Amino acid sequence: QVQLVQSGAEVKKPGSSVKVSCKASGGTFSSYAISWVRQAPGQGLEWMGGIIPIFGTANYAQKFQGRVTITTDESTSTAYMELSSLRSEDTAVYYCARATTVTTTHWYFDLWGRGTLVTVSS
Amino acid sequence: QSVLTQPPSVSGAPGQRVTISCTGSSSNIGAAYDVHWYQQLPGTAPKLLIYYNTNRPSGVPDRFSGSKSGTSASLAITGLQAEDEADYYCQSYDSSLSASVFGGGTKLTVL
Repeated sequence: QVQLVQSGAEVKKPGSSVKVSCKASGGTFSSYAISWVRQAPGQGLEWMGGIIPIFGTANYAQKFQGRVTITTDESTSTAYMELSSLRSEDTAVYYCARATTVTTTHWYFDLWGRGTLVTVSS
Repeated sequence: QSVLTQPPSVSGAPGQRVTISCTGSSSNIGAAYDVHWYQQLPGTAPKLLIYYNTNRPSGVPDRFSGSKSGTSASLAITGLQAEDEADYYCQSYDSSLSASVFGGGTKLTVL
């Protein structure tokens, strides 16, 4: 049974960067895609971007263009999300989620990590 | 403001039927992109409930059903149970944004 195991909570200063990892335990990314979704305290879900590991191509929500980078390491079945120029509004739980198709317009997320809390505070 | 609009809250008594709407536009649901639904229990990650408008993953009770028409979609829950109390989110693709998008979420309260 594949699980997505995320890295631990982070506390960051405004203006710094954070890199969160997501490892497929018990399986590989294979022909799937990985997206990152965040949820600010008391707020809804927000899609940040996604990557198709076999193609190495990532696409990002316009809101995060230039600030987010999503990568994968197929040798370890691990995906990464790096967010730069952090501000207090970036305080949120960041989830990785698996999409079962490489067709971006058809993405739905059948497997989720438990989430990583990123707190941005001076 | 979310691209997909959901009511902030709905409620129902045990055993009743409730529906949650998800209203989009011509660049997402109205453009024939599929709608998916997630359930998020307090303090947990979202869980896939319905995919491709009407399909239930293995293990999801048939009390949950989805539908889609025009620029809107709906999630129906019949035989409401206390354990259904959660936040529910719709998700689709938006061609104007070239992005996956979520609704703002609906909090279901079981009275």
